[in-house]
Amino acid sequence: AQTVTQSQPEMSVQEAETVTLSCTYDTSESDYYLFWYKQPPSRQMILVIRQEAYKQQNATENRFSVNFQKAAKSFSLKISDSQLGDAAMYFCASGGRGYQKVTFGTGTKLQVIP
Amino acid sequence: EAGVTQFPSHSVIEKGQTVTLRCDPISGHDNLYWYRRVMGKEIKFLLHFVKESKQDESGMPNNRFLAERTGGTYSTLKVQPAELEDSGVYFCASSQGRMRGATDTQYFGPGTRLTVL
Repeated sequence: AQTVTQSQPEMSVQEAETVTLSCTYDTSESDYYLFWYKQPPSRQMILVIRQEAYKQQNATENRFSVNFQKAAKSFSLKISDSQLGDAAMYFCASGGRGYQKVTFGTGTKLQVIP
Repeated sequence: EAGVTQFPSHSVIEKGQTVTLRCDPISGHDNLYWYRRVMGKEIKFLLHFVKESKQDESGMPNNRFLAERTGGTYSTLKVQPAELEDSGVYFCASSQGRMRGATDTQYFGPGTRLTVL
């Protein structure tokens, strides 16, 4: 069984600043993947970044990076140089190896202040 | 390449009526998933198709929900009869499914917002 917890329902950040969204998870899988999805107000959910649990190196995608702490079961998302287009609902998620279902957290609504 | 599409984008029905949601996955994707988000809560898995076969339907709430994927292309999710607690946003996702042992990224559609009055 997998659970994903996002303890920050809402966050705000000034444009051009850096913000970190928190996520913790629990899983019985020995091999798993972690994801951050972004859902802008237009509702199309897109993948921001993904991390293979067996990799020690933190994943990065341009201004987005993660801090993956496997022992602590923590998977935070850092957004650098925040832009207005980053305003969205962010979902942390986990999935086991194979074509299995993805388990989501409740989401963090990020507001970017001009 | 077209993404995952869902129809309708919104549906408002009365309790007891029937609604059918449709999902068209990305062309060539063998895996198709249905998820649901009830207001303010997490997105929950409903079921997973591999081509036309149901691989995992452990998340289906009850027998009022029927999902089909005839021919292994698009999928429909029928709710009959609808109840108030069925309101929420229904998401469809697809993944390629060509890499054995790996986890494909799931690509999501925009969702169908269902309101049951």
